[in-house]
Amino acid sequence: EAQVTQNPRYLITVTGKKLTVTCSQNMNHEYMSWYRQDPGLGLRQIYYSMNVEVTDKGDVPEGYKVSRKEKRNFPLILESPSPNQTSLYFCASSFTIGTRFNEQFFGPGTRLTVL
Amino acid sequence: DAKTTQPPSMDCAEGRAANLPCNHSTISGNEYVYWYRQIHSQGPQYIIHGLKNNETNEMASLIITEDRKSSTLILPHATLRDTAVYYCIVRPPNNAGNMLTFGGGTRLMVKP
Repeated sequence: EAQVTQNPRYLITVTGKKLTVTCSQNMNHEYMSWYRQDPGLGLRQIYYSMNVEVTDKGDVPEGYKVSRKEKRNFPLILESPSPNQTSLYFCASSFTIGTRFNEQFFGPGTRLTVL
Repeated sequence: DAKTTQPPSMDCAEGRAANLPCNHSTISGNEYVYWYRQIHSQGPQYIIHGLKNNETNEMASLIITEDRKSSTLILPHATLRDTAVYYCIVRPPNNAGNMLTFGGGTRLMVKP
């Protein structure tokens, strides 16, 4: 089944404790992205990747890191989480055709709470 | 990206067609209309997109007015599982970072 998977789905942690949220897609998509969703603020892009070893900042990259060593995986790293990073996180992927993007497929979400 | 306006909520009876409107009066010539939906706290799901012609797929139909200033998403036979927030997005196919910006959307409640 074509899908985007995220792990963990739920995480409660404490301030400053490094964590990684994994994202994997099995559709051979070039493009992958991370979003956070907060009440009243909608969906905001954190980082995106156009292909392996190519990453770029989205609208809200502060406090996050990403890597794209393999096409299928795009982990989100919080080196020192803070309470303002408590949010619902989504990973997404899509094909690209030249400079055109196709529809994005989203993962099920990771609900992160930082105490 | 062009701004969109959607009603905040709508109800629909199960089995009936759900017609969700979207106004995008400032749409540019190269901008597409995309529809996504989000069932409570799940990942957003792509539904359909179009440029100027009406489009249909297995999930829905998209009707775009001739002047492209508004569109309607049609779910032909709504089921309880279609209860979700529906987002209309207008953007070019190659905007920076392929970022999706969701507005308030329309909360569709399908009732038995």
